Amino acid sequence: AQRVTQPEKLLSVFKGAPVELKCNYSYSGSPELFWYVQYSRQRLQLLLRHISRESIKGFTADLNKGETSFHLKKPFAQEEDSAMYYCALSGGFGNEKLTFGTGTRLTIIP
Amino acid sequence: ETGVTQSPTHLIKTRGQQVTLRCSSQSGHNTVSWYQQALGQGPQFIFQYYREEENGRGNFPPRFSGLQFPNYSSELNVNALELDDSALYLCASSLGRDRGRTNSPLHFGNGTRLTVT
Repeated sequence: AQRVTQPEKLLSVFKGAPVELKCNYSYSGSPELFWYVQYSRQRLQLLLRHISRESIKGFTADLNKGETSFHLKKPFAQEEDSAMYYCALSGGFGNEKLTFGTGTRLTIIP
Repeated sequence: ETGVTQSPTHLIKTRGQQVTLRCSSQSGHNTVSWYQQALGQGPQFIFQYYREEENGRGNFPPRFSGLQFPNYSSELNVNALELDDSALYLCASSLGRDRGRTNSPLHFGNGTRLTVT
């Protein structure tokens, strides 16, 4: 069974401080991992995916298969990073069903 | 490029009634997925349609059904509504399997907020 766990429902960080949003997953095969973000009054949108290995808006996430984690990190938080963040997993090519975590609401304190 | 649009934005229904939600996929996308998001939860996969055929279904009862049309727009139908069906229903479109060896990202609509009383 696919499962995604985001242990923090709420996270507050001061502007300029580092950010880490935790995500752990359970899947028996080779999953694809994603981070989706929802800014206030906007639709859910893709932030980044592990296969791209790129940095988006200063965020990075590394897939750690040993620890089954895909934590989202940013070295210096900005006020515009305040949003709802969802970690999600799919079962790989041809299996696009996404299993989402419950989300973490990130608030950046000015 | 036109994004994913969903209608209506809000809907109030009574227990036992039936509802139809609609979704227009992003231009060029052939795959539509539907998700249910209850308050305080992440979206849960209902089902997916690829080129008018159902291509995967989540853990939802048969009273949740769908359609995809030749223009790749889609409908979600829910019969015999229950109070627990109250949620935000999200539609997402993607390029699906045509995109080569990786799954293409999902593009979400703004959702339909369904309230069952």
